[in-house]
Amino acid sequence: EVLLVESGGGLVQPGGSLRLSCAASGFTFSSYAMSWVRQAPGKGLEWVSGFSGSGGRTYYADSVKGRFTISRDDSKNTLYLQMNSLRAEDTAVYFCAKGGDAYIKRGEFDYWGQGTLVSVSS
Amino acid sequence: QSVLTQPPSASGTPGQRVTISCSGSSSNIGNNYLYWYQQLPGTAPKLLIYRNNHRPSGVPDRFSGSKSGTSASLAISGLRSEDEAGYYCAAWDDSLSGWVFGGGTKLTVL
Repeated sequence: EVLLVESGGGLVQPGGSLRLSCAASGFTFSSYAMSWVRQAPGKGLEWVSGFSGSGGRTYYADSVKGRFTISRDDSKNTLYLQMNSLRAEDTAVYFCAKGGDAYIKRGEFDYWGQGTLVSVSS
Repeated sequence: QSVLTQPPSASGTPGQRVTISCSGSSSNIGNNYLYWYQQLPGTAPKLLIYRNNHRPSGVPDRFSGSKSGTSASLAISGLRSEDEAGYYCAAWDDSLSGWVFGGGTKLTVL
């Protein structure tokens, strides 16, 4: 059974940093692209960042480029999102999502975690 | 402002057929697969349709997807109360080198 469990969310002040983790199980983690997708309160889904499988490259939405860094540790089956220079508009539930293919543009998001809430406020 | 355009709301009565549209451009829907996700209140999104018109196992055949040019649509036939949810279309965008979502359509079953 595929399982994705996010952690690391919380309340942080504007300008602060936070690191999210997504522990994966039930599939060969290194073989698949992984992404972070967020949802601000009462709003729609927004793709944040993705990492192709098998040592592939990283991708970012313009809204987070230069502030967020995605990484993965295939030995620990874990995806990370380092978030720096956080802004109020980054407040959202952050979901970890598994791609259906190693190449990020080819696969659907076939499994999702339950999400972790990030609140940016003073 | 989302890159993919969906109507914010849709509604129907039990048993009816409803469709939700999704409009994009040549850099996303026109050149890549289109996907649909269902999000029940308070839960994570769930894959509903992949590669334009394929259903994952477990998704009822009441749900169907289609794509033509730079537009796509999701059809739900035999509407049921449990279909009341948010529906999102998504596609890879070659110009942005990233995934783009529609703004979402809230479906109400009257």
